[in-house]
Formats: sequence, C-alpha cells, structure tokens
Amino acid sequence: NAGVTQTPKFQVLKTGQSMTLQCAQDMNHEYMSWYRQDPGMGLRLIHYSVGAGITDQGEVPNGYNVSRSTTEDFPLRLLSAAPSQTSVYFCASSYGAGGQTGELFFGEGSRLTVL
Amino acid sequence: KQEVTQIPAALSVPEGENLVLNCSFTDSAIYNLQWFRQDPGKGLTSLLLIQSSQREQTSGRLNASLDKSSGRSTLYIAASQPGDSATYLCALRTGANNLFFGTGTRLTVIP
Repeated sequence: NAGVTQTPKFQVLKTGQSMTLQCAQDMNHEYMSWYRQDPGMGLRLIHYSVGAGITDQGEVPNGYNVSRSTTEDFPLRLLSAAPSQTSVYFCASSYGAGGQTGELFFGEGSRLTVL
Repeated sequence: KQEVTQIPAALSVPEGENLVLNCSFTDSAIYNLQWFRQDPGKGLTSLLLIQSSQREQTSGRLNASLDKSSGRSTLYIAASQPGDSATYLCALRTGANNLFFGTGTRLTVIP
C-alpha cells in the first residue's frame, strides 16, 4: 500500500528555472493538497483540490500552479523558481473535503533548494 | 483566523514517564483535529484523528482528547520510550482550504 508518493525527494534549481513536483495517491481520495514547511513558519497551504478538475488557492499560492486531471495525481509546478521558494514541500490527501473529512495522509516530502 | 498554539515548544523526559502534550485553539467551529508526529527530515505521520462530535480517541499508548468549549486538545503518551522522540503537531480542519497547524512540540525521551 503506497499511500502518498512524492517525487523527487531532493532538487536543486537555479533562479528562473521551472520544474514540477509530482504527487500521487492510491487511496482514491477526493482531497489533495500541497504545503510548504519553513523553519519558524510551520506548514502553509499552497493549493488544494477537492476532486478531479477542481483546484483552488491556499494561503501562499503565488509562484505555483496546480492541475488535477485524475483523482490520483496532483502535480505542483514552479513557474520561475526564486530563492524564496527554497523549502520542504509536502503533498497530502484525505477522504472527503468538508464536514465528513477523513484522516489526512502526507507524503515523505520534497526538499527544494533554489540558488 | 484560527490560532493554534502548542506549549511547550520542547520537552525532555526520562524513559518510562507518562506525558501530556497540549494544543490550544481559538475557534471551536472545527470539523476535526488530528495529531501527527514528524521525525527529522521526514514527512508527517498521522497518529490520531478526532472528529468534531467525538471527545477522545485511543491508539495503543496514545490517547487524544478534544474539548471544543475550552479550545483544547491533549495528547497523552503512556510509558514513553526513546522511539517516541519526535516533533508532535496538532492540526485543525475548519473547511476544505482551512487546515491550521500548530508549530509543534519537540519531544526528547532520554534512555
């Protein structure tokens, strides 16, 4: 049972480059989300999705794009990387998205460094 | 905006002690509360989920309680072990895009 799988685990980019962080879950969860974790800032929501074809912004969406073409996959795209996007990124998923929301499962994280 | 506070930020106890971690929040209109542990350089591992209508959940040596009226949740760890050393985070869900995390308590269990 794979759960939530993120790739790559580590990435180094130069300022201005673009890249995509991949996230896949095999639990048939409707809800998927991306967070970034920075020292002293805790976890902050970037984007989320409540089902295929539906995405919305979280607390810190600027500089990131997402899409949800299938239930399983929720990639996060960095359009033009900046040093401020150096962080650890986590993907998470859960059953439901409202009052009947289930347990939130996290991936292992993707550590991104922008030079 | 929901404010989630975890005190203390760090805690060190000898092996075998029972301990309580605290999570306080300002808005009682929540869907659920979840406790996680995070090991250094790793992702978040779910420990317990308490729905809004529930008062507590138990799993092995862990017991989590929820008191919405006082804006508090506690995570009780019985007979602590060195393997329990990690950062413990609570998170409150108040909607699809509203998931508020505390900044965590870093627990060290000394053998």
